Amino acid sequence: GAGVSQSPRYKVTKRGQDVALRCDPISGHVSLYWYRQALGQGPEFLTYFNYEAQQDKSGLPNDRFSAERPEGSISTLTIQRTEQRDSAMYRCASSLVRGGASGVVRQETQYFGPGTRLLVL
Amino acid sequence: AQKVTQAQTEISVVEKEDVTLDCVYETRDTTYYLFWYKQPPSGELVFLIRRNSFDEQNEISGRYSWNFQKSTSSFNFTITASQVVDSAVYFCALAHAGNMLTFGGGTRLMVKP
Repeated sequence: GAGVSQSPRYKVTKRGQDVALRCDPISGHVSLYWYRQALGQGPEFLTYFNYEAQQDKSGLPNDRFSAERPEGSISTLTIQRTEQRDSAMYRCASSLVRGGASGVVRQETQYFGPGTRLLVL
Repeated sequence: AQKVTQAQTEISVVEKEDVTLDCVYETRDTTYYLFWYKQPPSGELVFLIRRNSFDEQNEISGRYSWNFQKSTSSFNFTITASQVVDSAVYFCALAHAGNMLTFGGGTRLMVKP
């Protein structure tokens, strides 16, 4: 089946402009995660959703960054008033979330999209 | 706080050599999950394996094998008889149930013909 898709794949913008990055998760996946990866480093967590509810946004660097997933499927990460330091690869991942008999949530594998490479000039 | 350390930033081997990529983690959770992902030159992140903290059995998949040692908080990855196509950046990652991944800094593996 289709994997996680992201658009655009590349985005070049001028400092001060707003950008919106889109993620379309694997069909049926409940959880959706956003990460940011600087060149030569591992991905760093930004935020995640279960269905349409944002569960954790502790990784968002500042209030210029926001994310939404209004219908529990496609998600948009928005960066307002972009700065050069925002340049990075932005990665989206999705996973199933399965509740065990005791109600404990199991960690399911996160599958990543191809990423959006953002360059702020 | 969770932390993953991949001390080897870059490894270079000649084709057919065996190579081990090290991963050491820190967590206070008793239930956690460990992952390895591959990032080839094309840039995508490809899932390789997931293990939970209750399962210390080593795993082998073709030329790949993983050694999980809870006593040393390590989850090492060995490629046997390496091939040029194995050249990539490999990331180890840690998560607790239902939550985000904490990645190591990655190890760049170069396999020369």
